[in-house]
Amino acid sequence: EIVLTQSPGTLSLSPGERATLSCRASQSVSSSYLAWYQQKPGQAPRLLIYGASTRATGIPDRFSGSGSGTDFTLTISRLEPEDFAVYYCQQYGSSPPETFGQGTKLEIK
Amino acid sequence: EVQLLESGGGLVQPGGSLRLPCAASGFTFMNYAMTWVRQAPGKGLEWVSSISASGSSTHYADSVKGRFTISRDNFKNTLYLQMNSLRAEDTAIYYCAKKTGTTYYYYWIDVWGRGTTVTVSS
Repeated sequence: EIVLTQSPGTLSLSPGERATLSCRASQSVSSSYLAWYQQKPGQAPRLLIYGASTRATGIPDRFSGSGSGTDFTLTISRLEPEDFAVYYCQQYGSSPPETFGQGTKLEIK
Repeated sequence: EVQLLESGGGLVQPGGSLRLPCAASGFTFMNYAMTWVRQAPGKGLEWVSSISASGSSTHYADSVKGRFTISRDNFKNTLYLQMNSLRAEDTAIYYCAKKTGTTYYYYWIDVWGRGTTVTVSS
């Protein structure tokens, strides 16, 4: 089973700054079957990125995903107030069907 | 608009049972695999179970195997999670989610329901 480890656990930044979130897999994630989700308090998660680097419909271009193999990154180029939330990475290419990282909380500094 | 609406949550005693329906609308339900994900209070996301588009294949997390059963009715556009022998550690928000393909491998989740809360306590 692939284990996903996200870092940092909490990231404190100010609006306008650049955020870099990391997701490291214990084994190679085949064919970049990796997604990123955003979750705000009291809400369901929302898909941001799939296939490691493809933005979902309606996601602003300040969000970008990169990486392959065992190391993946979600970058938010210029933080907007609505971007402060918890972010999860997820692999969907090997058993079990969904494996989530523990999350990174992006908070306002 | 694609929508998933869970229901059936509530307070149940340890050892009890609940059935969670998830009503789907706005897409051709029978063409997509579906999954249940839960989130314990203050914790992260945990996969629970998945089912293929036809319903012929299912998969369970070890933590619920033998106690939970996933199923679907493609005529009623509804996904179900039957939960038996409930434990305190099953307390969570349960989300129904749509995959982007017919199988639960190799396809990501693109739509989530709003969730239904299950509390297991005496």
